[in-house]
Amino acid sequence: GIQVEQSPPDLILQEGANSTLRCNFSDSVNNLQWFHQNPWGQLINLFYIPSGTKQNGRLSATTVATERYSLLYISSSQTTDSGVYFCAVRRYSTLTFGKGTMLLVSP
Amino acid sequence: DTEVTQTPKHLVMGMTNKKSLKCEQHMGHRAMYWYKQKAKKPPELMFVYSYEKLSINESVPSRFSPECPNSSLLNLHLHALQPEDSALYLCASSQDRRKGTHGYTFGSGTRLTVV
Repeated sequence: GIQVEQSPPDLILQEGANSTLRCNFSDSVNNLQWFHQNPWGQLINLFYIPSGTKQNGRLSATTVATERYSLLYISSSQTTDSGVYFCAVRRYSTLTFGKGTMLLVSP
Repeated sequence: DTEVTQTPKHLVMGMTNKKSLKCEQHMGHRAMYWYKQKAKKPPELMFVYSYEKLSINESVPSRFSPECPNSSLLNLHLHALQPEDSALYLCASSQDRRKGTHGYTFGSGTRLTVV
């Protein structure tokens, strides 16, 4: 099956700092999503981004499908950004998750 | 309505109990999914329903029994579970299991503890 690798696995930031999370995938995909899982387990969809660039407030994402990677940018991080960030890709009919990046933003 | 609603949020059950998890969406999505997530791990696919028919079963033990009564509802029936089945169970939906331009929407999950 398709392989999804995320880096870094863990990240600790001071409030206000910027960060970049990376997702590499092993084959062409139909769909790529970035999710934020909060401490209560809710998976919140951040971006549906099979290709191109999107921005939503302090967050933006870029997927370069031809090179099989996607980047999630978090600017001016806040403590509420803490949690696990998952990249998930769909090839054919099922969504496969990477192992996630655990982000901790300290005040 | 752009939500997937799961009930209950928390469930504690004994190994001899029978219980059910429920999932509901009113977005007109025709594909629905059950995922299982253990602590510090990514979600893992269990079942896929497409147009109310089971299309994928990822070799899940028979003590987990899915059901899709209609296009808006998805149930997961639990019987004779083991303590290692304790996990967060997530429901998701999408427009179509092969298509769609908005991706998957997940519910907030049911945190299950088997004692």
